[in-house]
Amino acid sequence: AQSVTQLGSHVSVSEGALVLLRCNYSSSVPPYLFWYVQYPNQGLQLLLKYTSAATLVKGINGFEAEFKKSETSFHLTKPSAHMSDAAEYFCAVSVYTGFQKLVFGTGTRLLVSP
Amino acid sequence: NAGVTQTPKFRVLKTGQSMTLLCAQDMNHEYMYWYRQDPGMGLRLIHYSVGEGTTAKGEVPDGYNVSRLKKQNFLLGLESAAPSQTSVYFCASSFSRQDSTDTQYFGPGTRLTVL
Repeated sequence: AQSVTQLGSHVSVSEGALVLLRCNYSSSVPPYLFWYVQYPNQGLQLLLKYTSAATLVKGINGFEAEFKKSETSFHLTKPSAHMSDAAEYFCAVSVYTGFQKLVFGTGTRLLVSP
Repeated sequence: NAGVTQTPKFRVLKTGQSMTLLCAQDMNHEYMYWYRQDPGMGLRLIHYSVGEGTTAKGEVPDGYNVSRLKKQNFLLGLESAAPSQTSVYFCASSFSRQDSTDTQYFGPGTRLTVL
């Protein structure tokens, strides 16, 4: 069965520092992977997705993620954190079984301090 | 485009009461989904629909029912609310692309408390 693991329920960085949010997946078939962001009291918004076209995927707001098959990872990074990046981030793996099922990780809350 | 909208935004129920959550999308999407979000558990799929008039169970369907009478609307019902159904409920929709690469678009959520 497909699953994702997000290491660290909370990550704290200073403004201007590198952001690294970790996601490891388990899949018996080539995976399609997503990162979503949830700002306080809002719904989820797509940051980026991996669909096998390129291993380095660029998303919105300066975020990017690299698919590494050998490490079964899809970590999310941003070179320089902004205060506005404070949110909860979810990694998800997509499975098609007659419909698209997204299996979400438990989420990582990013805290950004001045 | 409003995207995906949900009503109500907040609701407090007493145990045993019933209610219906409404989801509407204006993107002409075929697929619609209901999720619940609980602390430390991510999002879990309750029910989904692959088209008007069709619904199916997700991973946590017990205690919920759904209907998709119109393509743009997806209703989630709680017939007899229980405290375990206290959660934030999200609706999502996606195009009918028959693969795993489609993007799901989420509504703003409904925060439900059952006392």
